[in-house]
Amino acid sequence: DAGVIQSPRHEVTEMGQEVTLRCKPISGHNSLFWYRQTMMRGLELLIYFNNNVPIDDSGMPEDRFSAKMPNASFSTLKIQPSEPRDSAVYFCASSLQGQTNQPQHFGDGTRLSIL
Amino acid sequence: GENVEQHPSTLSVQEGDSAVIKCTYSDSASNYFPWYKQELGKRPQLIIDIRSNVGEKKDQRIAVTLNKTAKHFSLHITETQPEDSAVYFCAAKRNNDMRFGAGTRLTVKP
Repeated sequence: DAGVIQSPRHEVTEMGQEVTLRCKPISGHNSLFWYRQTMMRGLELLIYFNNNVPIDDSGMPEDRFSAKMPNASFSTLKIQPSEPRDSAVYFCASSLQGQTNQPQHFGDGTRLSIL
Repeated sequence: GENVEQHPSTLSVQEGDSAVIKCTYSDSASNYFPWYKQELGKRPQLIIDIRSNVGEKKDQRIAVTLNKTAKHFSLHITETQPEDSAVYFCAAKRNNDMRFGAGTRLTVKP
């Protein structure tokens, strides 16, 4: 079991640049979640997908943030243009959504620094 | 939407003592309550969970209790060890919407 795979693990870029974070969920999981973690705000849910369809993006902070899930095995979170306040650890998680509640499994995260 | 509050924010105990972390939630429709442990620089990892049709669940030194009427749930760690030191997060979930508490930084002193 490879778990949730995120890339890159670290990203350092200058403000104004476009940033793309990538996630591969656990095979067979049909729900995917993007979280942002900061000291000030803790773990925040940004958006989640069910069967590749965005269900709730109310946590996406601004129009600069966008997320896609073109197929069951891949999702991206894009920030354009990036700003220093976007610096955080971004986690992707996946779960199997069905009749019974199942836990979310997290990837190792992407540590993003915007200079 | 759901609001999860977690207390205390920091907790320091002596090795061998027990640790208790408490959470409250606001949405009575929430029906799944996982607990995650996050070590420094690592990802959150599920340590135990409880569903709303159960009042208590135990796994070795870890136990969770749920009071649906009062809308609160607690994590109990007995015989704490230094490797239990981490940040612990509670969460409450309704459908696919899961909200996390702010976390508790547990330090176990040897």
